[in-house]
Amino acid sequence: DQQVKQNSPSLSVQEGRISILNCDYTNSMFDYFLWYKKYPAEGPTFLISISSIKDKNEDGRFTVFLNKSAKHLSLHIVPSQPGDSAVYFCAASEAHSGNTPLVFGKGTRLSVIA
Amino acid sequence: DAGITQSPRHKVTETGTPVTLRCHQTENHRYMYWYRQDPGHGLRLIHYSYGVKDTDKGEVSDGYSVSRSKTEDFLLTLESATSSQTSVYFCAISASVDSPLHFGNGTRLTVT
Repeated sequence: DQQVKQNSPSLSVQEGRISILNCDYTNSMFDYFLWYKKYPAEGPTFLISISSIKDKNEDGRFTVFLNKSAKHLSLHIVPSQPGDSAVYFCAASEAHSGNTPLVFGKGTRLSVIA
Repeated sequence: DAGITQSPRHKVTETGTPVTLRCHQTENHRYMYWYRQDPGHGLRLIHYSYGVKDTDKGEVSDGYSVSRSKTEDFLLTLESATSSQTSVYFCAISASVDSPLHFGNGTRLTVT
């Protein structure tokens, strides 16, 4: 029973355009959400996070949007660059509950085409 | 890599043999985690630790045990390796439950 779902296994975007990666969750107790990027043969790298008290968080070219009523979050990358080509994982946890680890989605492979 | 070292980086072993993977951190973080990554499954939690000698099971803990006798080291043991445990194993650390996890570079384990 997947609590965090990334329904698009892959996404292709042209360089300079916007990339939008989506994530849905089922556990209404989740209150901390993160995005990670992963290159081959490396560990996942933290990108950006958002807590449930916010609906948007920006960091440079990366913006995460949270829609709690829809249990949906998205990551926007503007403008997309070839170096953004990687697998992106969405993750969530019940941080308010204490010792609850992150639950990850299955990932979306983003390809940015020059 | 946030001061995380996983060893070995690659290992090939035979079915039925015991295997221990090591995660060492230099950040003095309280929380440590073991995940495995498999095609079509993303990252799945095996075990985690919230302090020395304090550990708990994750989603896919069967066939694995862990130990944390020091803050800096978190060991993952496969008592009797099976082919289904062929995977890439990632260790992660975090300072608190509401701070990001930082991952090591992984151990690729092949069980033949």
